[in-house]
Amino acid sequence: KQEVTQIPAALSVPEGENLVLNCSFTDSAIYNLQWFRQDPGKGLTSLLLIQSSQREQTSGRLNASLDKSSGRSTLYIAASQPGDSATYLCAVKTGANNLFFGTGTRLTVIP
Amino acid sequence: KAGVTQTPRYLIKTRGQQVTLSCSPISGHRSVSWYQQTPGQGLQFLFEYFSETQRNKGNFPGRFSGRQFSNSRSEMNVSTLELGDSALYLCASSLAGGAYTDTQYFGPGTRLTVL
Repeated sequence: KQEVTQIPAALSVPEGENLVLNCSFTDSAIYNLQWFRQDPGKGLTSLLLIQSSQREQTSGRLNASLDKSSGRSTLYIAASQPGDSATYLCAVKTGANNLFFGTGTRLTVIP
Repeated sequence: KAGVTQTPRYLIKTRGQQVTLSCSPISGHRSVSWYQQTPGQGLQFLFEYFSETQRNKGNFPGRFSGRQFSNSRSEMNVSTLELGDSALYLCASSLAGGAYTDTQYFGPGTRLTVL
């Protein structure tokens, strides 16, 4: 069974700092990996989707990489802002059209 | 284009009751998936519907069921509610092309509290 782990569980950084969030998964037979953001009590906002054949995706200050063979992905956030404070979730899609989610990293950016 | 909508947003029920949640996908999307989010278990997949048929199912008891209508709108039902069913229920829609590589877009969720 696919298991997805995110480290660290919580992270607190001063504004302006660059940071990296980690995601690992046990079964490398994935179709894609997606990073989401969730604000308290809200739904999920898709940030980046990396297909299994891709190595990375970029959107603005966000860059996500994927190493399928080692079962790892990282989300790099440049020049963090207080508005980036949220929980970040990674999810992998395997054979069926459903996602396996990690437990998330709660990020706090201190002004 | 309007996003995924879910109704109601908040719901309070008592043990033993049953509840129905609704999800309207993005126009043109034919796949609707449901997820349960709890502090203890995180986000877990419930089931997926495509073209009015349940295509995939997670590891939940039969008290959890769903259906999809011809306009792709979906409902999920939970019968005989238990305290542990208190959660945020999220639905997600996608185009669901044959390669299963498309992005899932999530709604705001329905917060269910069982007393």
